[in-house]
Amino acid sequence: GESVGLHLPTLSVQEGDNSIINCAYSNSASDYFIWYKRESGKGPQFIIDIRSNMDKRQGQRVTVLLNKTVKHLSLQIAATQPGDSAVYFCAERGTYKYIFGTGTRLKVLA
Amino acid sequence: DTGVSQNPRHKITKRGQNVTFRCDPISEHNRLYWYRQTLGQGPEFLTYFQNEAQLEKSRLLSDRFSAERPKGSFSTLEIQRTEQGDSAMYLCASSQTVDGYTFGSGTRLTVV
Repeated sequence: GESVGLHLPTLSVQEGDNSIINCAYSNSASDYFIWYKRESGKGPQFIIDIRSNMDKRQGQRVTVLLNKTVKHLSLQIAATQPGDSAVYFCAERGTYKYIFGTGTRLKVLA
Repeated sequence: DTGVSQNPRHKITKRGQNVTFRCDPISEHNRLYWYRQTLGQGPEFLTYFQNEAQLEKSRLLSDRFSAERPKGSFSTLEIQRTEQGDSAMYLCASSQTVDGYTFGSGTRLTVV
């Protein structure tokens, strides 16, 4: 199958622990951000989004934090499961397009 | 409707050959995007259509690349005279609004 993220930063966490994936973005004027995950053989899958007028947004087991002062996003995954193993990308919205970070590979250890 | 569909899933071609990929977006989505992803990188924007109009093209899209969306539904991406550097995953996405995309599974191109 496809090898995604061979040379990416890797975060290894024990199953059941919480994961924190970090991302820096470039444009202080960006008003909308998304986290995607990409599993081998699949396209990027939407996880959670946040607008620039918010600092925090929670979903099911996931929380996104936005720090506009330092242009930083983080994705927190609670009680990480084997199915969370994937490459995670943050993306900031430009005029017509999204600008993606390079990604972080999350490995969940049994 | 089962989401964004891309064909083929995999394509191996010899250097110098032409290839064409197809994307079928979610039917009610009028916005369609092409991205390219190489190992160790996030997806990079190539081009954007709103209905049949191509509104933006990245500088990554050289003269050998052309994309069309003739009836505002499916889109094709053609690469002429392929080079080894074209080897990548080509991703299509669609959306109804400016927020959030739905991606297809991609077409993996290998140029040998």
